[in-house]
Amino acid sequence: ETGVTQSPTHLIKTRGQQVTLRCSSQSGHNTVSWYQQALGQGPQFIFQYYREEENGRGNFPPRFSGLQFPNYSSELNVNALELDDSALYLCASSLSGTGAHEQYFGPGTRLTVT
Amino acid sequence: AQSVTQLGSHVSVSEGALVLLRCNYSSSVPPYLFWYVQYPNQGLQLLLKYTSAATLVKGINGFEAEFKKSETSFHLTKPSAHMSDAAEYFCAAFYNQGGKLIFGQGTELSVKP
Repeated sequence: ETGVTQSPTHLIKTRGQQVTLRCSSQSGHNTVSWYQQALGQGPQFIFQYYREEENGRGNFPPRFSGLQFPNYSSELNVNALELDDSALYLCASSLSGTGAHEQYFGPGTRLTVT
Repeated sequence: AQSVTQLGSHVSVSEGALVLLRCNYSSSVPPYLFWYVQYPNQGLQLLLKYTSAATLVKGINGFEAEFKKSETSFHLTKPSAHMSDAAEYFCAAFYNQGGKLIFGQGTELSVKP
């Protein structure tokens, strides 16, 4: 069984640039959620994708967008990067429709905006 | 608003001592509850989950948690701390609206030799 993988591991961008982060879900999982974890904080929910559609969204502006592909992998795109976007971005996969709500997390992508 | 509160941002125990990490949730309807552990520069690993089947939940690495509806609590315990338990611990709640996990602020556990 393959776990959740994310790429890249680390990324440095300049304010105003755009970034794309990638996530491959655990085998057998059909749902992907993205979280932002600022230093010293708990993860904050960005959005969730199920069947290639956004299934829920947290309190993040529209410049945070995502995609889910037919193989259930996902991308997180952030436009017009701001310094406060510097954080660890976590992807989590789960299996919707079974009543099991646990989410399994990848190792994260550390984004630094300068 | 739905929220999860972890009391104590930092807990320090001696090796072999009891570990107690506190978590309270805010809801009149008990959500699904989870504890995750995060080691430095890593993602979150699921320790255990409460899904209403039993109030005392056993997890990995000797951890367990007890759900108390009257206290809206889900505290994490381990009878005897090990040096390898040093990490950040997060309590999280799943509410059916929107599919998101709501996390507490985290508790950093230090284990002294």
